[in-house]
Amino acid sequence: DGGITQSPKYLFRKEGQNVTLSCEQNLNHDAMYWYRQDPGQGLRLIYYSQIVNDFQKGDIAEGYSVSREKKESFPLTVTSAQKNPTAFYLCASIGMADANGELFFGEGSRLTVL
Amino acid sequence: AQSVTQLDSQVPVFEEAPVELRCNYSSSVSVYLFWYVQYPNQGLQLLLKYLSGSTLVKGINGFEAEFNKSQTSFHLRKPSVHISDTAEYFCAVSLGRGAQKLVFGQGTRLTINP
Repeated sequence: DGGITQSPKYLFRKEGQNVTLSCEQNLNHDAMYWYRQDPGQGLRLIYYSQIVNDFQKGDIAEGYSVSREKKESFPLTVTSAQKNPTAFYLCASIGMADANGELFFGEGSRLTVL
Repeated sequence: AQSVTQLDSQVPVFEEAPVELRCNYSSSVSVYLFWYVQYPNQGLQLLLKYLSGSTLVKGINGFEAEFNKSQTSFHLRKPSVHISDTAEYFCAVSLGRGAQKLVFGQGTRLTINP
């Protein structure tokens, strides 16, 4: 079945460590997104990419980095510069031909900093 | 700038009762409107969307929403809820093409009591 796979589902990190969250999609979607979800704050956009080898900062990009070397993959690195990284991270994608249509989401990765 | 306000952070209702989840937005231009649902520890799933045309929009799982331009609202309704409707619901507004223009509300946690 087509969909978005995020891994790992749960991740623990010590302060000062970088971690990378994986996001893979087999929907043949052009655009991919990373959101951060905190209780009572909804979803906030971290980074997005509309085409391979290109990406743009969202509203809260500081302390994060991404790459888009393949259409199917859009990994997110949470760096040690992110002051409050404990959160639920969601990856999503959408086909450019349906830009106002449905965002497809992965099941999320919950990062906890110890 | 656009913003989305979900007026209730939590809504408890009894099974088989009707429910309305409220969403208001602020924008001086035409918008596209969405409702997403999130079950515990999962990603978001599209319930329904308004792009144009009829202001009453029907979605999955018996939900519907009405776009009211004069009141800048897009409230979600269901005439009779089920235990399985327990989830968090997010209203989202987009100013134009591309999901990067999507702004999410803070979410409303719907709890169905037997």
